[in-house]
Amino acid sequence: RKEVEQDPGPFNVPEGATVAFNCTYSNSASQSFFWYRQDCRKEPKLLMSVYSSGNEDGRFTAQLNRASQYISLLIRDSKLSDSATYLCVVKEVSNFGNEKLTFGTGTRLTIIP
Amino acid sequence: NAGVTQTPKFQVLKTGQSMTLQCAQDMNHNSMYWYRQDPGMGLRLIYYSASEGTTDKGEVPNGYNVSRLNKREFSLRLESAAPSQTSVYFCASSKTPFTSGELFFGEGSRLTVL
Repeated sequence: RKEVEQDPGPFNVPEGATVAFNCTYSNSASQSFFWYRQDCRKEPKLLMSVYSSGNEDGRFTAQLNRASQYISLLIRDSKLSDSATYLCVVKEVSNFGNEKLTFGTGTRLTIIP
Repeated sequence: NAGVTQTPKFQVLKTGQSMTLQCAQDMNHNSMYWYRQDPGMGLRLIYYSASEGTTDKGEVPNGYNVSRLNKREFSLRLESAAPSQTSVYFCASSKTPFTSGELFFGEGSRLTVL
């Protein structure tokens, strides 16, 4: 089982719609969670961190469900500029105290005019 | 505001050739990383440098070497390139190792090994 799993999509969504996608992680001891955005043939950029109580940044809402070991990203009133691949990232600490970030393979989102 | 700069952006190598990918950051970050990105695999950590003077192996270090030349620069060397090393390579930096989860990436280097 992959450490971090995402539905690769593509999600094709009309402009103005709401879209949500999930990411599951296998290590219950994972500490921190993030969503990155990657435009086609560009570098990844941090979109938002995911806090235990859930957090919102404009049209974007991130949620964490530790019991079921998944995080979600909700995009409201989607814009054409939201078209991108969204990467789920999980921070873990090993038994030896080493930290690492594990990246999911990404979910591709296309907003249709 | 340059951020993280990688060179070259594109490279084609023949099997067995060597090359070095260069990376520099101007954000005074302590930690630097090299990742590779392959279709269906996600970003995988090759090597990282938590601070100047230290380097550590990541998930997929075989076939690569790194040098943290100074606080700004972190290079990745392929001594004898193999077709399996065809990938997009990203250099990244952060203030502290992994802690905040915010990595700043370069634009990527697309390497093809024939």
